[in-house]
Amino acid sequence: DVKVTQSSRYLVKRTGEKVFLECVQDMDHENMFWYRQDPGLGLRLIYFSYDVKMKEKGDIPEGYSVSREKKERFSLILESASTNQTSMYLCASSIPGYRANTEAFFGQGTRLTVV
Amino acid sequence: GQQLNQSPQSMFIQEGEDVSMNCTSSSIFNTWLWYKQDPGEGPVLLIALYKAGELTSNGRLTAQFGITRKDSFLNISASIPSDVGIYFCAGFFTGANSKLTFGKGITLSVRP
Repeated sequence: DVKVTQSSRYLVKRTGEKVFLECVQDMDHENMFWYRQDPGLGLRLIYFSYDVKMKEKGDIPEGYSVSREKKERFSLILESASTNQTSMYLCASSIPGYRANTEAFFGQGTRLTVV
Repeated sequence: GQQLNQSPQSMFIQEGEDVSMNCTSSSIFNTWLWYKQDPGEGPVLLIALYKAGELTSNGRLTAQFGITRKDSFLNISASIPSDVGIYFCAGFFTGANSKLTFGKGITLSVRP
């Protein structure tokens, strides 16, 4: 069974804290993604990575950074958490889009509350 | 960033009814994916489509990849209460470093 695992289901952090969200996949996928999900706005791409140590900004990268030191792990970092970063964060992985039969699989999500 | 168009935002149907959802784009995709998200969970892949015109079923679900490659639809037949959730469409472009593009999702409610 394919597996994308996010380290926490729920997190509560204080404004100004540095926050790490971890994601691990066991499918040997090249691509990994971080999204945030807010009511009425759908899924918005924060960052994605198509290889180890490679990263590209998505649609809303401000206030976030990422790290991919190993193929199976993709971390999202909130440098200084703010209340407007309270959201559901979703990690996903996939094989590259130029290969046939691309599919993307999601983790269970991390509900982050910044107080 | 680009998004796919899904509307309406919410749908309300009676148990046993069929429902159809559409997803459109101004750009061509090579892969269309349909996901369902239960409350508090991550999206789960329902159906993947890889060829223009392709029609694929998964139980009571049927999805089609539009022949223009700019749209897709999902049909749910004989709905049941556990069909409630948010249904997302997503598309992939061909090419290196390609990324998923999502619709905003449709929240489906099923009245018993």
